Amino acid sequence: EIVLTQSPATLSLSPGERATLSCRASQSVSSYLAWYQQKPGQAPRLLIYDASNRATGIPARFSGSGSGTDFTLTISSLEPEDFAVYYCQQRSNWPRGFGQGTKLEIK
Amino acid sequence: EVQLVESGGGLVKPGGSLRLSCAASGFTFSSYTINWVRQAPGKGLEWVSSISGGGSYIYYADSVQGRFTISRDNAKNSLYLRMNSLRAEDTAVYYCAVTGTTDYWGQGTLVTVSS
Repeated sequence: EIVLTQSPATLSLSPGERATLSCRASQSVSSYLAWYQQKPGQAPRLLIYDASNRATGIPARFSGSGSGTDFTLTISSLEPEDFAVYYCQQRSNWPRGFGQGTKLEIK
Repeated sequence: EVQLVESGGGLVKPGGSLRLSCAASGFTFSSYTINWVRQAPGKGLEWVSSISGGGSYIYYADSVQGRFTISRDNAKNSLYLRMNSLRAEDTAVYYCAVTGTTDYWGQGTLVTVSS
C-alpha cells in the first residue's frame, strides 16, 4: 500500500502570499497524483490531476508539480476563498489512498 | 448536468448492517469507474471502494474488506454499498464520486454507528 505524507499539517499565511504544500509518496506513483480542496460542509473539489494538470474551471494561481515520490501544490497569490483543507491522492495503485491533509489557515 | 445523490445513511448499532445507494444522472453511467469515499467527523478523506464500469473490477480498502460490498446496476444508473458488521469507526459521511480529469461528487450521506 502506498502511503502519502503531506506537509505541513497546518500552514498559516496571509492573503496575497504564496503557498507551497507538499505531498510525498512512500513509493513511486509516476505522475498519477491529484490534489483536492475541501471547505467545511462541502464535498472535495478536484484542483489538479496527473500531478500538473489543472481541472476545468480551476484558476491559474493553482499549479502542481512533481513526479515519482515528491509533489508540490503551489498557490501563487492567496485569495480569501483559498483558505481550506487540501488533500493529495495517488491514482497509480490500489488502494487509492489520500494524504492526511494540509489545513491552510489565515494568519 | 451531472448529479450524484447518495441515500441510505442513518443510525445503526454496532454489528448492524446498512445499504447505501447513489443515484446518478447526466452522464453515461456504465462507462465510468465509481468510487465510495468516506470522511469521519473532523477527519480526513478515506477511499473505501471502487467498481469499474462493467462491474468486473472491484477494489476495497483493507479497513472494509470482507465487511463491505460494492455493486452497481447500470440499467438503473445506480451504485450501492452494502455495509455489514458495522463498527464505531465506520461512522462517517459517505460520498460517491466519479474521479478522473473531471470529478463529480455527491453531497454525501451520514452513517452513524452507535449503541
